[in-house]
Amino acid sequence: SQELEQSPQSLIVQEGKNLTINCTSSKTLYGLYWYKQKYGEGLIFLMMLQKGGEEKSHKKITAKLDEKKQQSSLHITASQPSHAGIYLCGADPYLFSGGYNKLIFGAGTRLAVHP
Amino acid sequence: DAGVTQSPTHLIKTRGQQVTLRCSPKSGHDTVSWYQQALGQGPQFIFQYYEEEERQRGNFPDRFSGHQFPNYSSELNVNALLLGDSALYLCASSSGDGGEQYFGPGTRLTVT
Repeated sequence: SQELEQSPQSLIVQEGKNLTINCTSSKTLYGLYWYKQKYGEGLIFLMMLQKGGEEKSHKKITAKLDEKKQQSSLHITASQPSHAGIYLCGADPYLFSGGYNKLIFGAGTRLAVHP
Repeated sequence: DAGVTQSPTHLIKTRGQQVTLRCSPKSGHDTVSWYQQALGQGPQFIFQYYEEEERQRGNFPDRFSGHQFPNYSSELNVNALLLGDSALYLCASSSGDGGEQYFGPGTRLTVT
């Protein structure tokens, strides 16, 4: 079965600093999703990547999918306290097998941004 | 446009009891998936409902069952509750042919 490992597990940065979160899969990555979660709350959809080499940006957050490395990265530029939370990557191993949206998640990266 | 809604927000039950959680999908979505998120972990897929039938299931015992209604809303039922069932239960909706999956705020279940 596919497993996702996120690194680092937790991160504390100063406001204004850039940061990168990685998500590495044990198998080929299809349909990689990034979500943000505030503690004890639901998941907020950030981005979905489907093709190797694909890169998407939203506001100050950029995500890339490296199919060869079976890895995705999430980069935040000029971090703000509003970026604090838990970032989760999710993969859909059955995306092209008719089993949509049965997502497998990593354990999450906990981000704190200090003013 | 209302997003995914879940009720109740919080719930406290005793071991051995049964619980029902409810979810209304985002407008235009016909597929509902349920996830269990233990403290400090990522969400784990329980099952998915589409056209009122269970379409996919994760590695959860039969104590976990569900239902989808004609209006696409869904219920998650857990029988014979165990302490280990304490978690945040998340509902997610999407369209039947895949695409973005939107999550609700979750129901926090505590089993004592």
